[in-house]
Amino acid sequence: GAGVSQSPSNKVTEKGKDVELRCDPISGHTALYWYRQSLGQGLEFLIYFQGNSAPDKSGLPSDRFSAERTGGSVSTLTIQRTQQEDSAVYLCASSYWTGASTEAFFGQGTRLTVV
Amino acid sequence: AQKVTQAQTEISVVEKEDVTLDCVYETRDTTYYLFWYKQPPSGELVFLIRRNSFDEQNEISGRYSWNFQKSTSSFNFTITASQVVDSAVYFCALSGDSNYQLIWGAGTKLIIKP
Repeated sequence: GAGVSQSPSNKVTEKGKDVELRCDPISGHTALYWYRQSLGQGLEFLIYFQGNSAPDKSGLPSDRFSAERTGGSVSTLTIQRTQQEDSAVYLCASSYWTGASTEAFFGQGTRLTVV
Repeated sequence: AQKVTQAQTEISVVEKEDVTLDCVYETRDTTYYLFWYKQPPSGELVFLIRRNSFDEQNEISGRYSWNFQKSTSSFNFTITASQVVDSAVYFCALSGDSNYQLIWGAGTKLIIKP
């Protein structure tokens, strides 16, 4: 596609339920990132994937969070047993390479509300 | 440790005024990169500029200009003759050889009043 696509754009879920957030990166981009943005805050790194390498999961806040990237393309971020503090905008980004100088292209995010 | 500070939480100016958004960073890396992104109300982050640590030349792109000063660890962003469409949240970010993930400032919300 022309840009990074995320779905759903909005998700309201009950506390304790599991949710899946999807990211479809720009075709050909080998690196994919997930970030979380709480209201009025900057971006918090969650996880990144680069090609076939093991993902860097160092930013995941708890073991309720997991992510996978199938076939080096689409990625799914899963949050199990959601809590109210999980409410945030989840942003996905992709880039050609994961080097420090590489600019990332962002999707519009999924706004998650846990009630 | 790496850190980015955007001390201005919100700035409000009248259209056509010039405005400067401050960004101060901390890093121990010799090679590092500084970025500015714009986040309009639609939510999608838009890349504006990237600067590497070896290039301190100021850059101008239309009404936008950036002042990189290693001596003060700052990478400030100036919008000249601001327009209502410039209203957005602007983020400064840092990456370096010690980690590839972008370290983000908290953002500055810029409001341009007509």
